[in-house]
Amino acid sequence: SAVISQKPSRDICQRGTSLTIQCQVDSQVTMMFWYRQQPGQSLTLIATANQGSEATYESGFVIDKFPISRPNLTFSTLTVSNMSPEDSSIYLCSVEFGQGASYEQYFGPGTRLTVT
Amino acid sequence: AQSVTQPDIHITVSEGASLELRCNYSYGATPYLFWYVQSPGQGLQLLLKYFSGDTLVQGIKGFEAEFKRSQSSFNLRKPSVHWSDAAEYFCAVADTGGFKTIFGAGTRLFVKA
Repeated sequence: SAVISQKPSRDICQRGTSLTIQCQVDSQVTMMFWYRQQPGQSLTLIATANQGSEATYESGFVIDKFPISRPNLTFSTLTVSNMSPEDSSIYLCSVEFGQGASYEQYFGPGTRLTVT
Repeated sequence: AQSVTQPDIHITVSEGASLELRCNYSYGATPYLFWYVQSPGQGLQLLLKYFSGDTLVQGIKGFEAEFKRSQSSFNLRKPSVHWSDAAEYFCAVADTGGFKTIFGAGTRLFVKA
């Protein structure tokens, strides 16, 4: 299992500014995932972050807007850059363990971002 | 490309009544399927998962789900709903190559006394 913490838990930001969200896991993991959950919507994968390499972004998401760092096997950050009200969402980090029947995916509590 | 459809945006059931939440998927092979629950202000919690074998899967909190390949469905059931079950429920399918999980739109469950 894994315990994931995120900082901050919520923030209100002005448009045009940037916010960096931190994700800490209590065990070492190869891949970490960042998701966005817009108000009333489902989760959408932003990118996959491996330690020591650049993150892999999903269609519709770019590194300039959502730069990700992965300095070690237990930590990652997601920055939401040049924010606009459309970026108001919950941002969640996630990790996975195992394969097949032992596969588990765990999610952090999320960071609720409001852009004014 | 894989996808997940949850046809019901919201469902209301009476406490003690049975529950079924629908989920249909599109995937080229046998998928890895999941149900998650998200309570207000809480993170996502895995209820159950299906990888192979027995098509009826038991999960936590008294939930179960049945994988029906012929219908491309993975419906979630509970025989008797409790008020604490009110939450958002997400069905998800994983890419067996990279475990990139795709989520359905979610079904919000309301429980009335």
